[in-house]
Amino acid sequence: AQSVAQPEDQVNVAEGNPLTVKCTYSVSGNPYLFWYVQYPNRGLQFLLKYITGDNLVKGSYGFEAEFNKSQTSFHLKKPSALVSDSALYFCAVRGNNNDMRFGAGTRLTVKP
Amino acid sequence: DARVTQTPRHKVTEMGQEVTMRCQPILGHNTVFWYRQTMMQGLELLAYFRNRAPLDDSGMPKDRFSAEMPDATLATLKIQPSEPRDSAVYFCASGLLTGTGSYEQYFGPGTRLTVT
Repeated sequence: AQSVAQPEDQVNVAEGNPLTVKCTYSVSGNPYLFWYVQYPNRGLQFLLKYITGDNLVKGSYGFEAEFNKSQTSFHLKKPSALVSDSALYFCAVRGNNNDMRFGAGTRLTVKP
Repeated sequence: DARVTQTPRHKVTEMGQEVTMRCQPILGHNTVFWYRQTMMQGLELLAYFRNRAPLDDSGMPKDRFSAEMPDATLATLKIQPSEPRDSAVYFCASGLLTGTGSYEQYFGPGTRLTVT
């Protein structure tokens, strides 16, 4: 079955520093991978996706993610974190039934 | 700017009462999902529709929950009777599944349900 894992419940970074939110996947076949962000009292918002092509995918708000097939990872990155990036981040993979399987989420806190 | 809408945004009800949550997916989207989010369980998939047909409702307690799509512009999630453990935020999401199988989901703002 298709699944993703987010090994960190919480990530803390200082404003201006680079950030990484980790995700590993387990799939049969080619992975379709996604990142979503959830701000307080809001629904999830799509950030970016990897289907095929370049391993570095660029998305909204300056975020990017690197697909690494050998390490089965799809980590979310940003070169310089903002306080406003503080939110809950979900990694997801397309399921066998074309549904979406979400990870448990990682809470990112960016401190001034 | 097309959005998924959900009503009501907040609902407080007493145990045993019926609760109906409604969702209007983005026009033209052919997939609709219902999720439940709690602190303890995270984001759980309750039901999944494609072209209005239910494809997966294995995540839904069927003795009290039901999900329907009476037409392409309306999805409903009903709880009868409600219980305190149903307190959560319920999200609806829609997406356009194409031949490539690649699509993203667009989430509504959620319905925060409190059952006392």
